[in-house]
Amino acid sequence: DQQVKQNSPSLSVQEGRISILNCDYTNSMFDYFLWYKKYPAEGPTFLISISSIKDKNEDGRFTVFLNKSAKHLSLHIVPSQPGDSAVYFCAECSNNDMRFGAGTRLTVKP
Amino acid sequence: NAGVTQTPKFQVLKTGQSMTLQCAQDMNHNSMYWYRQDPGMGLRLIYYSASEGTTDKGEVPNGYNVSRLNKREFSLRLESAAPSQTSVYFCASSDRGYSYEQYFGPGTRLTVT
Repeated sequence: DQQVKQNSPSLSVQEGRISILNCDYTNSMFDYFLWYKKYPAEGPTFLISISSIKDKNEDGRFTVFLNKSAKHLSLHIVPSQPGDSAVYFCAECSNNDMRFGAGTRLTVKP
Repeated sequence: NAGVTQTPKFQVLKTGQSMTLQCAQDMNHNSMYWYRQDPGMGLRLIYYSASEGTTDKGEVPNGYNVSRLNKREFSLRLESAAPSQTSVYFCASSDRGYSYEQYFGPGTRLTVT
């Protein structure tokens, strides 16, 4: 059974609007949560992370929110740009154990 | 500075054949990882090496072996390929003993017929 779930396989957003990608997890013992972005035929690239002791981390257009009581993680992209179109993976990490969600394909339409 | 490189990019094997996937990083990272990605699933860790000379099993190690040849190189070997090993394989590295920010290679697409 997957420990990290991304229940939306795809999301389509208009350029300039907000994109919200969601992730649920079951295991509370992990230290960090991360978001990776993946373009076709490339490896994933690290986007943003959040420590399990925080509830928000912001980096430019990207903000990650962590709701520990709900075991829920979300990534907000504001404003969305066509270049943000990619597959986004959330992951939870502790020591060398990293567990990924199945990914959400984001399409940002011009 | 090439980051993480993987060879080959594509490979087709027959059931029972063996092969080695190569990975190298030029970032002087201590830790290296091998993942597989299957449709509808996230990346799953096969093996990792926290430092030169050490290797440990990940989530899905069965059917694979690894070698940490030196600090730069970490190879993944399939001794007797099976159709269930058809996947995209990613190598990654990080500069921490435990890793959250990993740097990934471009992947190897393997098909076993």
